[in-house]
Amino acid sequence: GQNIDQPTEMTATEGAIVQINCTYQTSGFNGLFWYQQHAGEAPTFLSYNVLDGLEEKGRFSSFLSRSKGYSYLLLKELQMKDSASYLCAASDSNYQLIWGAGTKLIIKP
Amino acid sequence: DVKVTQSSRYLVKRTGEKVFLECVQDMDHENMFWYRQDPGLGLRLIYFSYDVKMKEKGDIPEGYSVSREKKERFSLILESASTNQTSMYLCASSTQGAGWTGANVLTFGAGSRLTVL
Repeated sequence: GQNIDQPTEMTATEGAIVQINCTYQTSGFNGLFWYQQHAGEAPTFLSYNVLDGLEEKGRFSSFLSRSKGYSYLLLKELQMKDSASYLCAASDSNYQLIWGAGTKLIIKP
Repeated sequence: DVKVTQSSRYLVKRTGEKVFLECVQDMDHENMFWYRQDPGLGLRLIYFSYDVKMKEKGDIPEGYSVSREKKERFSLILESASTNQTSMYLCASSTQGAGWTGANVLTFGAGSRLTVL
């Protein structure tokens, strides 16, 4: 079957770095998305990876290893506003998205 | 600012009632989607549409139907609401491209939280 695993919750300190991992098993693969969702708000797009390697976008970076079925989202210089849920989603051979349950990130001062 | 607007943020309905959830996007996107979001589960696709008057079943279509009479509007209908349909419903849209959702970024609405008593 198809599935995505990511940690349910993580806690980090303001100013620090945190890495949120995501492992996936899909029938075929057409890329990996990360979305951010603040409580009570719409998910918003953060990153898309389809090739192996690291994509950097400001304080946020996303990494993909296709051979390992693994991705991570790296958040640097954490700010209180980064407290949110982070959703991982993989696109399968039919371009259907398989979603993880999300990782709730709590930032402490 | 691009928008996907869901008409109702919070609804409370009784078992057996017919429920309409409306979604409008102003980005001229071809694809529109309805998901439900429940604690501890990933987003689950209910229905999607890639063109006006076209619809495709997602992973959990039972108990739901949809309507897309205009490009910008995609409605989700619960013919006879049940308590297990209590959930957060998210509408999303994307442009046509590599597959339905291949590399196309989804723009989501803020959600409609439905409680069925």
